[in-house]
Amino acid sequence: QSALTQPPSVSGSPGQSVTISCTGTSSDVGGYNRVSWYQQPPGTAPKLMIYEVGNRPSGVPDRFSGSKSGNTASLTISGLQAEDDADYYCSSYAGSNTWVFGGGTKLTVL
Amino acid sequence: QLQLQESGPGLVKPSDTLSLACTVYGGSISSSDNYWAWLRQSPGKGLEWIGTTYYTGTTYYNPSLKSRVTISVDTSKNQFSLRLSSVTAADTAVYYCARKARAYDYQHDQWGQGTLVTVSS
Repeated sequence: QSALTQPPSVSGSPGQSVTISCTGTSSDVGGYNRVSWYQQPPGTAPKLMIYEVGNRPSGVPDRFSGSKSGNTASLTISGLQAEDDADYYCSSYAGSNTWVFGGGTKLTVL
Repeated sequence: QLQLQESGPGLVKPSDTLSLACTVYGGSISSSDNYWAWLRQSPGKGLEWIGTTYYTGTTYYNPSLKSRVTISVDTSKNQFSLRLSSVTAADTAVYYCARKARAYDYQHDQWGQGTLVTVSS
C-alpha cells in the first residue's frame, strides 16, 4: 500500500480555476469509484469536500468538483476565493477495508 | 450534531505504548450504521489511515501498522480507543478519530479536532 501522489503545491488568483491531481494504481484509484477529497486549513481537522469521485456533501459549494480517469483523480476548484487557501488531500478505498491517502497539496490563492 | 473528541497523553517515551481514546458526542457509538476510524498526520506530511472498527469489535488495520495496532470499542463509555505499541519518533503525529457513516460509504465525514502525540525520551 503506497501513498497516492499529489503535486506539493498549486496556486491561482481569485476567480481563476485550479486542478489538483491524485495518482494511484489499479488497486486503489483505478479500481474503485471511491475517491474522496478533504480540505484542511492550517491548524484544523480535515473537512470532506468530495466523495465517490464527484459527489459533494451538503454545504460544499458547487465550485468544487471531482473527476477520475484511469488511475488519476482530480479536484477542480473554480472561481477561486481567498477562503480556499488550504491543504487538500485525496483518499481512495484500496480494497479489503483499507484506505490510502495522498501526500497533500498546498493551494495558495495569490 | 455528532462530535468526536480525542484524548490521551501528549508525550510518550520510545518503545512504550501510545494509548488514545475517542469519545463520541451527539450520537451512539453502537449505531448500526457507523464505523469508527483512527488516522494520523506526521508533522509536515500527509494523512495516514491507521484502522477502522465497528461497535461489535470487528476491526480492519493498515497492513503497515497491523503488528503494532489495536483498536477497541467501549460502548458503555461511548468511546473507541487506539493502542500503538513499540513507538518510535516516526510515530510522532497528530492523531485523529473519524466516522465512516455507513457500511457502503467510503469516506470519512466527521473528524475530531486531533491530538498531537510526541514520541520522545
